[in-house]
Amino acid sequence: NAGVMQNPRHLVRRRGQEARLRCSPMKGHSHVYWYRQLPEEGLKFMVYLQKENIIDESGMPKERFSAEFPKEGPSILRIQQVVRGDSAAYFCASSPPTLGNTEAFFGQGTRLTVV
Amino acid sequence: GENVEQHPSTLSVQEGDSAVIKCTYSDSASNYFPWYKQELGKRPQLIIDIRSNVGEKKDQRIAVTLNKTAKHFSLHITETQPEDSAVYFCAASVNGNQFYFGTGTSLTVIP
Repeated sequence: NAGVMQNPRHLVRRRGQEARLRCSPMKGHSHVYWYRQLPEEGLKFMVYLQKENIIDESGMPKERFSAEFPKEGPSILRIQQVVRGDSAAYFCASSPPTLGNTEAFFGQGTRLTVV
Repeated sequence: GENVEQHPSTLSVQEGDSAVIKCTYSDSASNYFPWYKQELGKRPQLIIDIRSNVGEKKDQRIAVTLNKTAKHFSLHITETQPEDSAVYFCAASVNGNQFYFGTGTSLTVIP
């Protein structure tokens, strides 16, 4: 089991470009969470998805940000028209579909720099 | 939604001393409380967790306590070592669906 895989590890974008961050959950996991972390700050929840469904997007900015978790393929966090304030580390985590209490496993994160 | 508060935000201890980090939560339905350790530039990794049907759990130098009535839980690290220096996050979850994190505690163990 390769664990939660995020790519790219580092992404540099100019202001106004689009950023696409990918997250492949652990094998057998159907729950994906995206978090944003600014330097020396905590993990800010963005969105919680299950396969083909957005369960909770209360942490997502209303504009420019979107997320999906298709039936096939990785989860994608998309940021359109990036601004300098979007520079941060973006972590995804996944957990299995079982009922009950299970831990979330984190990926290595994608460090987005907007120049 | 759930609100998790974590204190202190920074903590310095001498090597060998104990460190305690405290968290409170607001949603009485939360029943799973993991703790994560994040070293600089790395991913958060689970170090210990506790479920609502127990009040305390211990794993070598690390222990976690849970008070469901007061809605707070704490991480205790004994005999601290320099490699314990990291940022620690608490989290609360209902049945493993959705995880709400505290703001983190930066622990420094002074040799």
